[in-house]
Parts: sequence; structure tokens; C-alpha cells
Amino acid sequence: AQSVSQHNHHVILSEAASLELGCNYSYGGTVNLFWYVQYPGQHLQLLLKYFSGDPLVKGIKGFEAEFIKSKFSFNLRKPSVQWSDTAEYFCAVKVTSGTYKYIFGTGTRLKVLA
Amino acid sequence: DTGVSQDPRHKITKRGQNVTFRCDPISEHNRLYWYRQTLGQGPEFLTYFQNEAQLEKSRLLSDRFSAERPKGSFSTLEIQRTEQGDSAMYLCASPSDPGNTIYFGEGSWLTVV
Repeated sequence: AQSVSQHNHHVILSEAASLELGCNYSYGGTVNLFWYVQYPGQHLQLLLKYFSGDPLVKGIKGFEAEFIKSKFSFNLRKPSVQWSDTAEYFCAVKVTSGTYKYIFGTGTRLKVLA
Repeated sequence: DTGVSQDPRHKITKRGQNVTFRCDPISEHNRLYWYRQTLGQGPEFLTYFQNEAQLEKSRLLSDRFSAERPKGSFSTLEIQRTEQGDSAMYLCASPSDPGNTIYFGEGSWLTVV
């Protein structure tokens, strides 16, 4: 069955530290991959997405992610986090075999200390 | 504002009562999804519509749950005989065609007491 795993459930960093959040997926078809962010009290917002081409994708607010097909991974990175990056981050895969369904990971709660 | 609106934003109900949530998706989007999210979990797929046709339902959607999208525009999600385990946020999502970006509403929080 298709699934998305996010191994880091809680991450605490100081401002200016570098960030890497892991995401692994289990799906054998063509993958479309996403990272969404949910700030406290707000709806889910798209950070970045990968469909094809350059496996290193850049998103909003200085975030980037790298698709590594051989590792079934799509890790999120940011070189220098800010206090305003405190939020919950969700990785998702779009399943396209016979349906269009988005499967989400359990999320990683990031807290950035000022 | 994503253009996806949900109503009500919060609902507190007694166990055994019925509740209904409404979603108004982005008007030009044909597909509409319902997800459920509980604390510490990611959104879990419940069901989705292509226009007015309900194309897939998750096993999470018991017989007490029903969703409709009568004219291919807004959708409703009804939960009958609510249980405490139904307490969650119910999210509506409207993906762009061909479904490359999914836009979420702000969700409807349900608390069953």
C-alpha cells in the first residue's frame, strides 16, 4: 500500500541553524511529491512540489527539497531557519494509478527558538 | 485565503447527534476531497468527487459517514450518530486540474462530548 513516512516527529532548532526533515514514500508509480506547511491556527499551505525534471526543487521562504528516486526520499531543507518557520510540516505523495489521491505523512513539528 | 471555504469552522455536539459540514471549493476545480486530521497526525483521506460522482471512499468512512456533491459544486459531509472518536478536523481540498496542487480549506473542527 502507498504510504509516506516522516521520521522526525518533533524538531527543535535555534535560529540560523540548518534544517533537514526526512520524508520517505512507498509507491511504485510515477510520483508527484509535495511539502506542505501548517502554521499555528492556519490552513495547510504548499511549500514546494516535484513532478519531473531537476530533482532539486526550490520553494517559498527559502525552502528546497531533493528527490532521490533510488532512496524513495524527498527531504526538505533550509540552510538557516527563522523563528517564523515554527510550524508543522507535511510530506505528501500524489497517487495516480487509477485514481488521484494524495497521501500525507504524519507530520514534523518544528520549533525554532529565538 | 485559498478560495476553499468550509462551514462551520467549529462544531461541538453531543454524542449520538448528527452533524453536517459544508465545503465550497474553487469554482473551476472539478475534483473535491475530504480529509480528516487529528492531533499529531497528517491528513487522512476520506473520499473524493469528480464533479458530482463520488469516485473513491476510504475504509475510514464508516456507514455513519456520507458525503454528497449534488451539482458538482459544493459538497457536504454528514456524520450520523456521532461518537467521541469522530472528534477531529475535517478538511476539504480542491486540487487544480490536472491535480498538481491541492488547495485546502481552513477545516471544520468537530468536538463530540
